[in-house]
Amino acid sequence: AQSVTQLGSHVSVSEGALVLLRCNYSSSVPPYLFWYVQYPNQGLQLLLKYTTGATLVKGINGFEAEFKKSETSFHLTKPSAHMSDAAEYFCAVSVPLSFQGAQKLVFGQGTRLTINP
Amino acid sequence: EAGVTQFPSHSVIEKGQTVTLRCDPISGHDNLYWYRRVMGKEIKFLLHFVKESKQDESGMPNNRFLAERTGGTYSTLKVQPAELEDSGVYFCASSPRRTSGKETQYFGPGTRLLVL
Repeated sequence: AQSVTQLGSHVSVSEGALVLLRCNYSSSVPPYLFWYVQYPNQGLQLLLKYTTGATLVKGINGFEAEFKKSETSFHLTKPSAHMSDAAEYFCAVSVPLSFQGAQKLVFGQGTRLTINP
Repeated sequence: EAGVTQFPSHSVIEKGQTVTLRCDPISGHDNLYWYRRVMGKEIKFLLHFVKESKQDESGMPNNRFLAERTGGTYSTLKVQPAELEDSGVYFCASSPRRTSGKETQYFGPGTRLLVL
């Protein structure tokens, strides 16, 4: 069964430092992978996704993630953290449902990112 | 274009009461999903609609939960009677008709339910 593990429920970095949020997945089929972000009092917003093609995926707000099949990983990075990046981040894998073409998302536990001034 | 909206944003009820959550998907999105995050746990799938048809409810925890999608537009999720373990954040998401697993699901802000 497909699953997602996010290492570290809380990550704290200094403003301007590298952000690295780890995500490992388990999937019996080629995975479709997603990173979502939830800012305080808001819904989940898509940061980026990997479906096929280039393994380095660029998203919004300067974030990017690299799909590494050999490591079953999809880690999220940003070269320089900004105070506005403080939020909770969720990694997810797409899992087919019974209805053709439909899919559900299986999420990791989430990582809360804190930015220190 | 309006995003996915959910109502209410917060709900506090007592054990045994009934609560109904509403979700309005993005206009034209045939797929509608409900998810739930219990405190300290991951977000989990509850069920999936295509238009008004309930396609997959494999994630529904028990028969105290009833979801409907009238006319293929908005959806409601009723919990009756509510139990303490139903507390959490209920998210709704929608996506366009043609799904291949690659499409983005657009999420609402969630309803925070607290059962006392």
